[in-house]
Amino acid sequence: SQTIHQWPATLVQPVGSPLSLECTVEGTSNPNLYWYRQAAGRGLQLLFYSVGIGQISSEVPQNLSASRPQDRQFILSSKKLLLSDSGFYLCAWSPSYEQYFGPGTRLTVT
Amino acid sequence: AQTVTQSQPEMSVQEAETVTLSCTYDTSESNYYLFWYKQPPSRQMILVIRQEAYKQQNATENRFSVNFQKAAKSFSLKISDSQLGDTAMYFCAFMKHNRDDKIIFGKGTRLHILP
Repeated sequence: SQTIHQWPATLVQPVGSPLSLECTVEGTSNPNLYWYRQAAGRGLQLLFYSVGIGQISSEVPQNLSASRPQDRQFILSSKKLLLSDSGFYLCAWSPSYEQYFGPGTRLTVT
Repeated sequence: AQTVTQSQPEMSVQEAETVTLSCTYDTSESNYYLFWYKQPPSRQMILVIRQEAYKQQNATENRFSVNFQKAAKSFSLKISDSQLGDTAMYFCAFMKHNRDDKIIFGKGTRLHILP
């Protein structure tokens, strides 16, 4: 069966520090991959999605970037975090139309 | 552009009651998918139910069922015999019939099941 992993689960970083969040999927090949951000009590904001290795679509201009170095690996990065980057980050994968989500990373920028 | 609207920001019902969450959407597509996702306090997003627009029959998953009205562009979720574990944020979502497109989520309805 397929599983999706995200790490770390929780992260506290100072303003201006770099960021790297990782997402991996097991048990499937060539999935579509997504990064979302969710502020407390709010809806989902799509940040990036990828339909294949090296193919990244950006939805929101910001200081975040994404990469897909391997078929089942999706990385969210930043060179310098802002306070506004705090939130809950969710990775999702899709075999066809529905999406399945990872457990998320809670990021606090101090 | 597609939009998804959930008009009920928050609802509360007693345990064992039936509750219906509303969702409307706007699209010019004729074939698409609709979803309901549940996000409990753990914040893990869980797919509850899926409906394909070309199927007239309403989808059901145990205590969860939908009322899909394609002409009215309405997609409501009914939870029967509600349980405390149903307490969560529920998101309605839309996707065109294109695997490489993105899902459009509504803003969510926060549902409280009261003991």
